Amino acid sequence: QSVLTQPPSVSAAPGQKVTISCSGTSSNVGNSYVSWYQQLPGTAPKLLIYDNNRRPSGIPDRFSGSKSGTSATLGITGLQTGDEADYFCGAWDSSLSVGVFGTGTKVTVL
Amino acid sequence: QVQLQESGPGLVKPSQTLSLTCTVSGGSISSGDYYWSWIRQPPGKGLEWIGYIYYSGSTYYNPSLESRVTLSVDTSMNHFSLKLTSVTAADTAVYYCARAFNWGWPIDYWGQGTLVTVSS
Repeated sequence: QSVLTQPPSVSAAPGQKVTISCSGTSSNVGNSYVSWYQQLPGTAPKLLIYDNNRRPSGIPDRFSGSKSGTSATLGITGLQTGDEADYFCGAWDSSLSVGVFGTGTKVTVL
Repeated sequence: QVQLQESGPGLVKPSQTLSLTCTVSGGSISSGDYYWSWIRQPPGKGLEWIGYIYYSGSTYYNPSLESRVTLSVDTSMNHFSLKLTSVTAADTAVYYCARAFNWGWPIDYWGQGTLVTVSS
Protein backbone atom coordinates (compact mmCIF):
# COMPACT_ATOMS: atom_id res chain seq x y z
CA GLN A 1 0.00 0.00 0.00
CA SER A 2 2.95 2.36 0.52
CA VAL A 3 3.63 3.92 -2.83
CA LEU A 4 6.66 5.96 -1.80
CA THR A 5 9.94 4.21 -0.98
CA GLN A 6 12.12 5.07 1.99
CA PRO A 7 15.12 3.33 3.55
CA PRO A 8 14.04 1.17 6.51
CA SER A 9 16.53 2.74 8.89
CA VAL A 10 19.26 5.33 9.28
CA SER A 11 21.49 6.07 12.24
CA ALA A 12 24.09 8.55 13.41
CA ALA A 13 25.72 9.79 16.57
CA PRO A 14 24.37 12.73 18.58
CA GLY A 15 25.14 16.03 16.92
CA GLN A 16 25.57 14.48 13.51
CA LYS A 17 23.32 14.75 10.45
CA VAL A 18 21.06 12.20 8.82
CA THR A 19 19.16 12.33 5.57
CA ILE A 20 16.12 10.27 4.63
CA SER A 21 15.10 9.78 1.03
CA CYS A 22 11.59 9.39 -0.34
CA SER A 23 11.37 8.02 -3.85
CA GLY A 24 8.22 8.14 -5.94
CA THR A 25 7.05 8.69 -9.50
CA SER A 26 5.97 11.48 -11.78
CA SER A 27 2.41 10.94 -10.56
CA ASN A 28 3.16 11.71 -6.95
CA VAL A 29 6.48 13.14 -5.74
CA GLY A 30 7.28 14.49 -9.19
CA ASN A 31 3.95 16.27 -9.48
CA SER A 32 3.04 17.19 -5.91
CA TYR A 33 4.30 18.89 -2.82
CA VAL A 34 5.91 16.50 -0.35
CA SER A 35 5.30 16.50 3.38
CA TRP A 36 7.26 14.80 6.15
CA TYR A 37 6.08 13.43 9.48
CA GLN A 38 7.71 12.29 12.71
CA GLN A 39 6.13 9.59 14.84
CA LEU A 40 7.59 9.10 18.27
CA PRO A 41 6.78 5.76 19.91
CA GLY A 42 3.17 5.62 21.08
CA THR A 43 2.29 9.09 19.84
CA ALA A 44 0.43 10.67 16.95
CA PRO A 45 2.41 11.54 13.83
CA LYS A 46 3.60 15.15 13.75
CA LEU A 47 4.01 17.33 10.67
CA LEU A 48 7.62 18.43 10.23
CA ILE A 49 7.74 19.69 6.64
CA TYR A 50 5.09 20.59 4.07
CA ASP A 51 5.24 21.97 0.54
CA ASN A 52 8.63 20.25 0.11
CA ASN A 53 10.59 22.56 2.40
CA ARG A 54 8.32 24.63 4.65
CA ARG A 55 8.29 24.14 8.40
CA PRO A 56 5.17 24.64 10.50
CA SER A 57 5.44 27.03 13.39
CA GLY A 58 7.39 25.48 16.24
CA ILE A 59 9.45 23.06 14.17
CA PRO A 60 13.17 23.79 14.64
CA ASP A 61 15.32 24.59 11.64
CA ARG A 62 17.35 21.44 12.34
CA PHE A 63 14.70 19.81 10.16
CA SER A 64 14.82 20.60 6.45
CA GLY A 65 13.24 19.28 3.28
CA SER A 66 14.12 19.31 -0.38
CA LYS A 67 12.88 17.78 -3.60
CA SER A 68 14.39 17.03 -6.95
CA GLY A 69 12.42 15.30 -9.67
CA THR A 70 10.74 12.21 -8.26
CA SER A 71 12.74 12.12 -5.03
CA ALA A 72 12.52 14.11 -1.84
CA THR A 73 14.84 14.30 1.13
CA LEU A 74 14.42 15.08 4.81
CA GLY A 75 17.52 16.28 6.64
CA ILE A 76 18.02 16.35 10.38
CA THR A 77 21.06 18.17 11.72
CA GLY A 78 22.36 18.33 15.27
CA LEU A 79 20.83 14.93 15.95
CA GLN A 80 19.38 14.50 19.46
CA THR A 81 18.25 11.44 21.37
CA GLY A 82 14.75 12.86 21.26
CA ASP A 83 14.83 12.56 17.46
CA GLU A 84 14.67 8.77 17.69
CA ALA A 85 11.41 8.06 15.91
CA ASP A 86 9.83 6.82 12.73
CA TYR A 87 9.72 9.29 9.85
CA PHE A 88 7.55 9.08 6.76
CA CYS A 89 6.82 11.17 3.71
CA GLY A 90 3.54 11.91 2.00
CA ALA A 91 2.38 13.24 -1.35
CA TRP A 92 -0.76 13.47 -3.45
CA ASP A 93 -0.89 10.98 -6.30
CA SER A 94 -2.63 12.53 -9.28
CA SER A 95 -2.93 9.21 -11.10
CA LEU A 96 -4.53 7.29 -8.22
CA SER A 97 -6.31 10.44 -6.93
CA VAL A 98 -5.36 9.64 -3.35
CA GLY A 99 -2.88 10.68 -0.75
CA VAL A 100 0.06 8.31 -0.58
CA PHE A 101 2.70 7.74 2.04
CA GLY A 102 6.21 6.42 2.33
CA THR A 103 7.25 3.10 3.78
CA GLY A 104 8.74 4.81 6.84
CA THR A 105 12.28 5.14 8.18
CA LYS A 106 13.42 4.49 11.71
CA VAL A 107 16.04 6.94 12.94
CA THR A 108 18.39 5.65 15.62
CA VAL A 109 20.72 7.90 17.57
CA LEU A 110 23.82 5.90 18.38
CA GLN B 1 -3.49 23.45 19.53
CA VAL B 2 -5.96 21.13 17.88
CA GLN B 3 -6.23 17.57 19.14
CA LEU B 4 -8.04 14.63 17.60
CA GLN B 5 -9.14 11.48 19.40
CA GLU B 6 -10.52 8.32 17.81
CA SER B 7 -13.10 6.20 19.59
CA GLY B 8 -15.07 3.09 18.81
CA PRO B 9 -15.08 -0.69 19.13
CA GLY B 10 -11.72 -2.40 18.99
CA LEU B 11 -13.21 -5.65 17.70
CA VAL B 12 -15.60 -6.10 14.80
CA LYS B 13 -16.93 -9.34 13.36
CA PRO B 14 -16.41 -10.21 9.70
CA SER B 15 -19.14 -8.93 7.36
CA GLN B 16 -20.24 -6.33 9.91
CA THR B 17 -19.76 -2.56 9.86
CA LEU B 18 -16.78 -0.83 11.42
CA SER B 19 -17.74 2.49 13.02
CA LEU B 20 -15.35 5.05 14.45
CA THR B 21 -15.73 8.61 15.65
CA CYS B 22 -13.10 11.32 15.86
CA THR B 23 -13.63 14.07 18.41
CA VAL B 24 -11.88 17.33 17.72
CA SER B 25 -10.78 19.68 20.50
CA GLY B 26 -8.91 22.96 20.40
CA GLY B 27 -10.58 24.01 17.18
CA SER B 28 -13.90 24.00 15.37
CA ILE B 29 -14.73 21.53 12.64
CA SER B 30 -16.85 24.30 11.13
CA SER B 31 -13.91 26.66 10.63
CA GLY B 32 -14.02 26.00 6.91
CA ASP B 33 -10.27 25.96 6.46
CA TYR B 34 -9.76 22.25 6.94
CA TYR B 35 -10.73 18.84 5.69
CA TRP B 36 -11.28 16.02 8.13
CA SER B 37 -9.59 12.80 7.13
CA TRP B 38 -9.15 9.11 7.89
CA ILE B 39 -6.05 7.01 7.28
CA ARG B 40 -5.34 3.42 8.27
CA GLN B 41 -2.33 1.17 8.68
CA PRO B 42 -2.66 -2.62 8.71
CA PRO B 43 -0.18 -4.39 11.00
CA GLY B 44 3.23 -4.51 9.37
CA LYS B 45 2.05 -2.62 6.30
CA GLY B 46 2.02 0.93 4.99
CA LEU B 47 -0.37 3.79 5.51
CA GLU B 48 -3.52 3.89 3.38
CA TRP B 49 -5.46 7.12 2.89
CA ILE B 50 -9.22 6.52 3.22
CA GLY B 51 -10.73 9.90 2.45
CA TYR B 52 -11.89 13.22 3.84
CA ILE B 53 -15.01 15.20 4.64
CA TYR B 54 -15.59 18.95 4.71
CA TYR B 55 -17.70 20.55 7.42
CA SER B 56 -20.47 21.08 4.84
CA GLY B 57 -20.68 17.32 4.37
CA SER B 58 -18.97 17.06 1.01
CA THR B 59 -16.70 14.04 0.78
CA TYR B 60 -13.92 12.50 -1.22
CA TYR B 61 -13.02 8.82 -0.91
CA ASN B 62 -10.17 6.57 -1.93
CA PRO B 63 -11.55 4.90 -5.08
CA SER B 64 -10.40 1.50 -3.82
CA LEU B 65 -12.64 1.80 -0.75
CA GLU B 66 -15.40 4.05 -2.06
CA SER B 67 -18.04 1.33 -2.32
CA ARG B 68 -17.75 0.48 1.40
CA VAL B 69 -16.90 3.80 3.07
CA THR B 70 -19.12 6.56 4.40
CA LEU B 71 -17.85 9.63 6.22
CA SER B 72 -20.14 11.93 8.13
CA VAL B 73 -19.74 15.05 10.24
CA ASP B 74 -21.62 16.44 13.25
CA THR B 75 -20.68 20.07 13.68
CA SER B 76 -22.76 20.43 16.85
CA MET B 77 -20.69 17.72 18.53
CA ASN B 78 -17.47 18.80 16.81
CA HIS B 79 -16.80 15.30 15.61
CA PHE B 80 -16.73 13.30 12.42
CA SER B 81 -17.19 9.61 11.76
CA LEU B 82 -16.15 6.69 9.61
CA LYS B 83 -18.26 3.71 8.62
CA LEU B 84 -16.76 0.81 6.70
CA THR B 85 -19.15 -1.94 5.68
CA SER B 86 -18.67 -5.65 4.97
CA VAL B 87 -15.36 -5.83 6.78
CA THR B 88 -12.91 -8.70 6.48
CA ALA B 89 -9.65 -9.55 8.21
CA ALA B 90 -7.92 -7.34 5.63
CA ASP B 91 -9.56 -4.33 7.28
CA THR B 92 -7.73 -4.98 10.55
CA ALA B 93 -5.62 -1.90 11.06
CA VAL B 94 -4.77 1.08 13.20
CA TYR B 95 -7.21 3.77 12.12
CA TYR B 96 -6.13 7.40 12.38
CA CYS B 97 -8.29 10.48 12.10
CA ALA B 98 -6.57 13.63 10.95
CA ARG B 99 -6.96 17.21 9.78
CA ALA B 100 -5.87 18.31 6.32
CA PHE B 101 -5.51 21.79 4.88
CA ASN B 102 -5.04 23.24 1.42
CA TRP B 103 -8.11 21.64 -0.14
CA GLY B 104 -7.64 18.26 1.51
CA TRP B 105 -3.89 17.69 1.41
CA PRO B 106 -1.51 17.60 3.22
CA ILE B 107 -2.40 16.47 6.70
CA ASP B 108 -1.20 18.67 9.53
CA TYR B 109 -2.65 17.06 12.67
CA TRP B 110 -3.24 13.39 13.45
CA GLY B 111 -4.95 11.47 16.21
CA GLN B 112 -3.02 8.80 18.06
CA GLY B 113 -4.81 6.03 16.24
CA THR B 114 -6.97 3.16 17.37
CA LEU B 115 -6.52 -0.52 16.56
CA VAL B 116 -9.55 -2.23 15.09
CA THR B 117 -9.39 -5.98 14.74
CA VAL B 118 -11.77 -7.87 12.48
CA SER B 119 -12.29 -11.34 13.89
CA SER B 120 -15.09 -13.69 14.83
